[in-house]
This record gives sequence, structure tokens and C-alpha cells, in this order.
Amino acid sequence: NAGVTQTPKFQVLKTGQSMTLQCAQDMNHNSMYWYRQDPGMGLRLIYYSASEGTTDKGEVPNGYNVSRLNKREFSLRLESAAPSQTSVYFCASSEDRVTKAFFGQGTRLTVV
Amino acid sequence: GQQLNQSPQSMFIQEGEDVSMNCTSSSIFNTWLWYKQDPGEGPVLLIALYKAGELTSNGRLTAQFGITRKDSFLNISASIPSDVGIYFCAGQLRGSSNTGKLIFGQGTTLQVKP
Repeated sequence: NAGVTQTPKFQVLKTGQSMTLQCAQDMNHNSMYWYRQDPGMGLRLIYYSASEGTTDKGEVPNGYNVSRLNKREFSLRLESAAPSQTSVYFCASSEDRVTKAFFGQGTRLTVV
Repeated sequence: GQQLNQSPQSMFIQEGEDVSMNCTSSSIFNTWLWYKQDPGEGPVLLIALYKAGELTSNGRLTAQFGITRKDSFLNISASIPSDVGIYFCAGQLRGSSNTGKLIFGQGTTLQVKP
């Protein structure tokens, strides 16, 4: 019953450092997503992957890269972290055409 | 970009009261979803709506997909303390069904006084 698993749960970075947020789902979903959540702004899509081997930009992709490693895993990389990237990051997955997206528990990232 | 306007932003109600919140947009949506987020957790799906006019219930929760396909509402009847949290609407725009990509509202923060 794991669903969508994100690691790490918390992270503090210094400006300019890099890191990768990991996400894995065990529901055999084709589509995976990365969102960021900031106070008063809901969830904004960073990148998504409609199927294994494909990735596309969402609403706020600048400063991020992603890799769909296989059907289960979708990672988000910050190459040079900036304070504006302080946020809560959520990974989600869904089946094609059936848009019930299931979310992980989030990664709380602080960039100082 | 496309935007969902969710209202109200916050509500503070007495236990037992009914709650209503809604989302509107200038764009047409194929799907409406309602999520609840507890503190420190990810959003959890409450109700999914796929057809204009559809009315769906999940226990004390009822949601409807607006006839114009540009809005949706969520009602919670007889609120209880565990209803506290942030409620989000999310929609899938017409034409994006091959990706499952969702657009989220800003959220409604609900507080319930025992």
C-alpha cells in the first residue's frame, strides 16, 4: 500500500548547491508529475511525464530538470538551488486519461 | 496561463454546520477533482467528476460538475473537527486528456470549532 513515495522528507540547502528529489510509485501508472506548493498559490506544475521516456514542462519549470528513469521513478533535480525554490514539493502519478492523481507526502525544501 | 479561482480562501465554522466552496474558470474543463490536504501531508482525493452536470457524493461530501464545464462546487454537511484542512479543486483542461495534467485552485482553508 505504498502508493507514491518521496525522498527525502526534509532538506536544507545552501544557495548554489544541487540536489535530486526522488519519487517512486507502485501503482503501474503511466503519468507522473512534480508540483510545488507555496502559501496562497495552490499547487503549480513544474514538469510532468505522460509516459516512460517522455517529459514536458509545466507552469514553472525554470531552475529544474527531471528524469523519468523508468515507469516507476521520476526524479526532480535542482542544479543550483536558489532561495526562491524554498517550497514544498509533491510528486504525483495517475493513469492515462483517468486523471485521479495520487500524491506523495511531500519534500519540504529550504534554500538558505 | 489558465487559472482556477477558488473561494472562499478560508472558513471558520462551528461543528455541525454545512460548508460550501467552489471553483470557477474562464476555461472549459473535462474533469474536476476535489482534494483535501491535512497538515504535513500530501493532498488526498475526495471526489472525481467527469461529466457536465454530474453530482457525486462521498459520505457527507457532495460535489457537482457545472453545466457550463467552467465551474464546480463542494459541499460538506454536518461538519466535524476532523474536516479541518485545506481543500483544493483541480481541473483537467479540455484537450489535455492525453497527459492527465491538472490545474489547481488556490485552496480553501477550513477550520471547525468544536
